[in-house]
Amino acid sequence: IQMTQSPSTLSASVGDRVTITCRASQSVGAWLAWYQQKPGKAPKLLIYKASSLDSGVPSRFSGSGSGTEFTLTISSLQPDDFATYYCHQYNGLRTFGQGTRVEI
Amino acid sequence: EVQVLESGGGLVQPGGSLRLSCVASGFTFENYGMHWVRLAPGRGLEWVSAIGHGDTYYADSVTGRFTISRDNSQNTVYLQMNSLRAEDTALYYCATLPGRAPGDAGFDYWGQGTVITVSS
Repeated sequence: IQMTQSPSTLSASVGDRVTITCRASQSVGAWLAWYQQKPGKAPKLLIYKASSLDSGVPSRFSGSGSGTEFTLTISSLQPDDFATYYCHQYNGLRTFGQGTRVEI
Repeated sequence: EVQVLESGGGLVQPGGSLRLSCVASGFTFENYGMHWVRLAPGRGLEWVSAIGHGDTYYADSVTGRFTISRDNSQNTVYLQMNSLRAEDTALYYCATLPGRAPGDAGFDYWGQGTVITVSS
């Protein structure tokens, strides 16, 4: 299953509402996660099962969608949120999207 | 506290072999699937392989060259990598990853990774 994220790079400012889209080449149901990764660090789980917020993740992060189209939304971008974000499907053989870099 | 620690990385020539190890603690190891994920320079995350209760899975890019195994008595998962190519150069992470069973819905722990460089 191919996962395609858009955009590849996103330029934004603190306080902006940010939306990242992930499209699957076939249905993955709700078996989709979102990760945040910063340079030199392991990925951090934000969202699992499409819309469930992982423990300790700020409520400004939210996920939605099912089937083949999913969205990660950051309601008000904070300085700590500048990072690369990946979607990850786990309905079949697992795959990641190519990543979305959120920059200033 | 859950801990995941990879080892075994290094420099290897094209066509060579290497075995990665990953020791986990802080949870009932035998109850969870374990994964290897890699991050190549200038590229994104790539899921590589997984092992459940004896069932194994591989990305197309490594099928036939990599073999995953586990020793539940040692809380350890291994990745035997043969016929290595330059494109296998990456930081290799060991991780639990979320699953579809209720017990591992958000069960997500990663090590800090081990670097593999394939070069002559």
